[in-house]
Amino acid sequence: DVVMTQSPLSLPVTLGQPASISCRSSQSLVHSDGNTYLTWFQQRPGQSPRRLIYKVSNRDSGVPDRFSGYGSGTDFTLKISRVEAEDVGVYYCMEGTHWPTFGGGTKVEIK
Amino acid sequence: EVQVVESGGGLGQPGGSLRLSCAASGFTFRNFWMSWVRQAPGQGLECVAKIKDDGTETYYMDSVKGRFTISRDNAKNLLYLEMNSLRAEDTAVYYCARDPHFNAYDIWGQGAMVTVSS
Repeated sequence: DVVMTQSPLSLPVTLGQPASISCRSSQSLVHSDGNTYLTWFQQRPGQSPRRLIYKVSNRDSGVPDRFSGYGSGTDFTLKISRVEAEDVGVYYCMEGTHWPTFGGGTKVEIK
Repeated sequence: EVQVVESGGGLGQPGGSLRLSCAASGFTFRNFWMSWVRQAPGQGLECVAKIKDDGTETYYMDSVKGRFTISRDNAKNLLYLEMNSLRAEDTAVYYCARDPHFNAYDIWGQGAMVTVSS
């Protein structure tokens, strides 16, 4: 089974400063069709998850452009260029190439 | 508006049964794979089961195989999760999620709380 490991567990950030979350998989997420099915979700307190990024770097409609995703193979990153108060929550990566498996989550909070 | 709405959560006895439903609207339900994803209190997310757009294929996480059954009624735009032989560790919020392609869930419901306790 694929294991998804996120770091850090907790990320205190100053408003307006950048933040980066790492996600590593125990196996390559490159599918036989050539695509890499790595997705990022945001879960604000008390809310359902919301998809932000799919296939590593494709931002969903309505997602601010301060969110970006990149990476390849087994190593991926979600970057927030300038953290805003509404970005507080838990962020999850998820691999969809094999059985859908989520990382353990990274809690973003304001310092 | 594209949305999915879960119902049917509640308190279940260990060894008992519960059935969750998910009503889809605003999109062509029969064209999409669907999944149930759960989140235990204070914990992360895990995919419990998924079903092909036409209902001919179903897949489950190991710990629910033989106990849970995912199904759908494309004529009524409904997704179901039948949960039998419930265990305390099944306690969680259960989300219905639309899967447009390779598990990249783009639409989530508000969730249905399932509590297994005597």
